[in-house]
Amino acid sequence: AQSVSQHNHHVILSEAASLELGCNYSYGGTVNLFWYVQYPGQHLQLLLKYFSGDPLVKGIKGFEAEFIKSKFSFNLRKPSVQWSDTAEYFCAVAGSGTYKYIFGTGTRLKVLA
Amino acid sequence: DTAVSQTPKYLVTQMGNDKSIKCEQNLGHDTMYWYKQDSKKFLKIMFSYNNKELIINETVPNRFSPKSPDKAHLNLHINSLELGDSAVYFCASSQGSGGATDTQYFGPGTRLTVL
Repeated sequence: AQSVSQHNHHVILSEAASLELGCNYSYGGTVNLFWYVQYPGQHLQLLLKYFSGDPLVKGIKGFEAEFIKSKFSFNLRKPSVQWSDTAEYFCAVAGSGTYKYIFGTGTRLKVLA
Repeated sequence: DTAVSQTPKYLVTQMGNDKSIKCEQNLGHDTMYWYKQDSKKFLKIMFSYNNKELIINETVPNRFSPKSPDKAHLNLHINSLELGDSAVYFCASSQGSGGATDTQYFGPGTRLTVL
């Protein structure tokens, strides 16, 4: 069975600090990986995704994530956060050949101005 | 030009009532989904329809019944509401057949509170 763990539930950072949010998954086969963001009062929207190829993927708003197959991880990073990055971040995994995403429980990021 | 819309945004009701949540997408997508997000923010798939056909039906009580009158709409009807049904319900859609590589586009959510 697929599962996703996001170990950081709440993260508080000052502006310009670097960000890394952890995501680990459990699945026996090939996976597709996603990070979604939910800004306050807004819809969930896609930040970035990995299907194959270069394990370092770049998304919108300066975010990037690295797929490390040996560690079953897909951590999200940003070198310098802004106040506007305050949001809830969700990692999701979809096993190849399946029809569904499995989401992590989310990480609430608060960036202090 | 909202892509995925849901109505209502908030729904407060008594235990035992029957209620519906509507979802519409104007993206021309073939697949639509319903998710439930509980109080701990855990987002779990409930149902998925591709071209009006059910392709995912997770283990949810049969009090929950999805209905897709056409591929742009997926409504969720809930009978005999219980306290544990209180949650935020998200609708989503994707272009393809609902496979693992499809990017899903989410609606704003409907916060259901059962008293």
